[in-house]
Amino acid sequence: AQTVTQSQPEMSVQEAETVTLSCTYDTSESDYYLFWYKQPPSRQMILVIRQEAYKQQNATENRFSVNFQKAAKSFSLKISDSQLGDAAMYFCAYRNPDSNYQLIWGAGTKLIIKP
Amino acid sequence: ETGVTQTPRHLVMGMTNKKSLKCEQHLGHNAMYWYKQSAKKPLELMFVYSLEERVENNSVPSRFSPECPNSSHLFLHLHTLQPEDSALYLCASSQGTASNQPQHFGDGTRLSIL
Repeated sequence: AQTVTQSQPEMSVQEAETVTLSCTYDTSESDYYLFWYKQPPSRQMILVIRQEAYKQQNATENRFSVNFQKAAKSFSLKISDSQLGDAAMYFCAYRNPDSNYQLIWGAGTKLIIKP
Repeated sequence: ETGVTQTPRHLVMGMTNKKSLKCEQHLGHNAMYWYKQSAKKPLELMFVYSLEERVENNSVPSRFSPECPNSSHLFLHLHTLQPEDSALYLCASSQGTASNQPQHFGDGTRLSIL
């Protein structure tokens, strides 16, 4: 069965510093998609970044980048120059192209930004 | 500003009540989803509609009844709910259901069952 594991229930980082959130997944597929979503206290789930498994290059979006290690089935999110507005729950999700519309979600990591 | 709007934001209801959650998307998408988010648990997909047709029903109890009258609107009708149904209910939409299409979420309805 496909699973997504976020081993860090909570992380904290000093403002302007860099933090890495970990995500591992289990699949026997070779083609799939991975996503990081952010859920601030406002509750809206916001897409942060996505990665296609067939692309070797790590995705980046401004201060957000991923370290995608396909062989290790690891998909960590790096946030550079952390800002107070980055405080939120962060969810990692996996999608198999052959799946029945399912996004497999991790349990989330709460990120705290210290001013 | 979100392209997916959910109402009400909060709902408190007794187990014998009947209520409905509403979702509206302004993104021109043709697929819509209902998720249940409980504390410390991964999101659970409940229903998927593609082109107004239900294409997924993840063994959800019949006390939850979805309705999709058009591609912009999605409802979740609730009746005789149980205390364990208290959760955040999130609506999402996407342009098609292909796996590379990201889902766009609303702010959710916080449901409390007395």
